Amino acid sequence: TQLLEQSPQFLSIQEGENLTVYCNSSSVFSSLQWYRQEPGEGPVLLVTVVTGGEVKKLKRLTFQFGDARKDSSLHITAAQPGDTGLYLCAAYTNDYKLSFGAGTTVTVRA
Amino acid sequence: GAGVSQSPSNKVTEKGKDVELRCDPISGHTALYWYRQSLGQGLEFLIYFQGNSAPDKSGLPSDRFSAERTGGSVSTLTIQRTQQEDSAVYLCASSPIRHEQFFGPGTRLTVL
Repeated sequence: TQLLEQSPQFLSIQEGENLTVYCNSSSVFSSLQWYRQEPGEGPVLLVTVVTGGEVKKLKRLTFQFGDARKDSSLHITAAQPGDTGLYLCAAYTNDYKLSFGAGTTVTVRA
Repeated sequence: GAGVSQSPSNKVTEKGKDVELRCDPISGHTALYWYRQSLGQGLEFLIYFQGNSAPDKSGLPSDRFSAERTGGSVSTLTIQRTQQEDSAVYLCASSPIRHEQFFGPGTRLTVL
């Protein structure tokens, strides 16, 4: 079983629609990160959330950290084809080791 | 500035052969990490370097896998006697400070 469970595994939507990706765990984390990975490239850090209940916005992307610091969500408003990619949540299990969820593959159709 | 680079970008090898994958971290980054990513999946931690030493090798799948880092810079991941289940994308990341990892584009390894 994975430490971080992401859902859904795949998401295909039309341009202009909204979407939400979830990242859940039974463990409590001091912080949680979201990455986006495009084909042939490495993951790129989008955001780090550190406080329970925290909400961070990055243009049309909204990230929320659960009050208990066990879960997080990524919401994209008015998705565009450029938002297509693999979205990964990750958390540190010690000072240096990042544990990743399996990822959500998002496809935005024009 | 230059990011993390990895070479080769693609490697096709025959079962039983040895392969070497190279990672050039961002200059000045003391920490270096190797991960493995199977098709469409999340990343699996392999090994962590702080400087030239590897305090955590716990993620290496078997004794066929080894890695070294020289001069606090370049790192090489070696897989001996490759097997088909070793096929994956191998990603390297470097970090200057805690919680800020920068990833390279990866090496796609295919074992026939």
